[in-house]
Amino acid sequence: EVQLVQSGAEVKKPGESLKISCKGSGYSFTSYWIGWVRQMPGKGLEWMGIIYPGDSDTRYSPSFQGQVTISADKSISTAYLQWSSLKASDTAMYYCVRGSTSGGHAFDIWGQGTMVTVSS
Amino acid sequence: QTVVTQEPSLTVSPGGTVTLTCASSTGAVTSGYYPNWFQQKPGQAPRALIYSTSNKHSWTPARFSGSLLGGKAALTLSGVQPEDEAEYYCLLYYGGARVFGGGTKLTVL
Repeated sequence: EVQLVQSGAEVKKPGESLKISCKGSGYSFTSYWIGWVRQMPGKGLEWMGIIYPGDSDTRYSPSFQGQVTISADKSISTAYLQWSSLKASDTAMYYCVRGSTSGGHAFDIWGQGTMVTVSS
Repeated sequence: QTVVTQEPSLTVSPGGTVTLTCASSTGAVTSGYYPNWFQQKPGQAPRALIYSTSNKHSWTPARFSGSLLGGKAALTLSGVQPEDEAEYYCLLYYGGARVFGGGTKLTVL
């Protein structure tokens, strides 16, 4: 079964660092892109960026460039989203999603989401 | 800043047909924007429905279809079921960047 399993919920204080993960299984991890999506409480989906674990090619949405870092460790089929200094406004649910650009741009499998709460 | 616009809300009767649209602030949406459509129910992760304008995933019910309509991407639900009540999002490709629409809340009643 193809799936993306994300790390558990996090509660952090402003200024702390954080790295959340998204582990792929059931498919060739290096042959698909992994995108990251933010959903603030009660709001819509926002595209943050995407990485191709095969060669670590990474693209950021302008709104998130410099605010987060997307990375991947293909040896353990895991993609990451990290912050160096969290803000209260980073409180949101974060999803990873698998993407393919061959045969059309298809985003198909979603992770279950990781809730990040930043509060003093 | 590119903006992707969807109807904030729509209401449809069970068994009816409804079309949701997705417009780009840059102009007409074409197949080169590779529109994807997703469904999200409260408390759940999004679920993929349509990719590259009109292609269905293996799990996408037959009543969902995607197209280009009047310069917009469109998602049509034919024979709407109560379980189709959800938020629907489109995603457009801008040559490396991607942008979600604001979402359409579909009410079935």
